[in-house]
Amino acid sequence: GAVVSQHPSWVICKSGTSVKIECRSLDFQATTMFWYRQFPKQSLMLMATSNEGSKATYEQGVEKDKFLINHASLTLSTLTVTSAHPEDSSFYICSASQGARGGYTFGSGTRLTVV
Amino acid sequence: AQRVTQPEKLLSVFKGAPVELKCNYSYSGSPELFWYVQYSRQRLQLLLRHISRESIKGFTADLNKGETSFHLKKPFAQEEDSAMYYCALFGNEKLTFGTGTRLTIIP
Repeated sequence: GAVVSQHPSWVICKSGTSVKIECRSLDFQATTMFWYRQFPKQSLMLMATSNEGSKATYEQGVEKDKFLINHASLTLSTLTVTSAHPEDSSFYICSASQGARGGYTFGSGTRLTVV
Repeated sequence: AQRVTQPEKLLSVFKGAPVELKCNYSYSGSPELFWYVQYSRQRLQLLLRHISRESIKGFTADLNKGETSFHLKKPFAQEEDSAMYYCALFGNEKLTFGTGTRLTIIP
């Protein structure tokens, strides 16, 4: 079945540094990938929709200059948290669409801790 | 705006007993609804979707447009059903998730 690999699974970084999270579709091409964020005991919140070869579409309230998304190929999307702060600490999950409406596969998530 | 509500954060059920995880939604159009499951230390995975009307691992869910609900049911709970369950709605080209229900099956 379709597999989405997300890396790293956890990362600790210092305030002010940048962190890059990768999301790869291993056995299918994903023209669209999604990035979610989950705060403790809260729901998954969509941050942005990543489209191959074009700019990402950000949800209201998500800073596009802080959360840089690049979808340079049909199998890779990256999320870079720039100038990270402790409040950016969260669980980030990506998912990829195989094209069929609602056919999403999720990565295993990345736990980011900013100290 | 679309919204998904899962009123129960925690649910404990004895093995062999029926299970019902509640999900209500708010959406102006015709919704596509899903249930996702996350077992301990595993990734989120699709459990079932309403358009396929299938039964996975004994779970079923019926879309009730009148009550705007999509409750997940299983007649006889099994220990391996213990997990986190998320109801989700696809609309306006995006998925919106509920806050999830942690189901614990008591042996």
